[in-house]
Amino acid sequence: EAGVAQSPRYKIIEKRQSVAFWCNPISGHATLYWYQQILGQGPKLLIQFQNNGVVDDSQLPKDRFSAERLKGVDSTLKIQPAKLEDSAVYLCASSLAGLQPQHFGDGTRLSIL
Amino acid sequence: GQQVMQIPQYQHVQEGEDFTTYCNSSTTLSNIQWYKQRPGGHPVFLIQLVKSGEVKKQKRLTFQFGEAKKNSSLHITATQTTDVGTYFCAVGGATNKLIFGTGTLLAVQP
Repeated sequence: EAGVAQSPRYKIIEKRQSVAFWCNPISGHATLYWYQQILGQGPKLLIQFQNNGVVDDSQLPKDRFSAERLKGVDSTLKIQPAKLEDSAVYLCASSLAGLQPQHFGDGTRLSIL
Repeated sequence: GQQVMQIPQYQHVQEGEDFTTYCNSSTTLSNIQWYKQRPGGHPVFLIQLVKSGEVKKQKRLTFQFGEAKKNSSLHITATQTTDVGTYFCAVGGATNKLIFGTGTLLAVQP
């Protein structure tokens, strides 16, 4: 079984620039998650999709962050404009359904200069 | 909102010693999951507990769900260097989402 695929693995940008991350979940997984993990902390849920609908985006900074999962499979997360405090690892995960075990991708390490 | 605390934040043990991390929630939980994250890696699912008082074992790892379904523990017997990493609990409550705990970083000295 192929795992969760994420790209890019690393990204370095300057503040106020924009950046986008891509995620391809495990085939058949209806639920997709984007997390932000700051060094030394646990993953913080940004947004949760069930198929192509949003289940929870209460911690997504909507003035600068956006995410979509148009066909209920792949997803993209965008930051525009980036701030210094956005430096973190962005993890994508998927599961068969909400509250089921999650499978994580390798993440994208974002550095803001 | 729901708060999930793990203690300790950090534990350093000699190889062969036991290790325990605790996960505490301010609210009653529907389920709890445990994940392990190696340095530089991503979280990997270990186990899920759903019943009050449930105990599950995986080789040297023992997981327990509290009777009141507000806390859980992970115990490792006779740690090995391969056990190094951060152990996270992730809790599910009234909503259909998991909240990750603060994590316990385990260091094992050979």
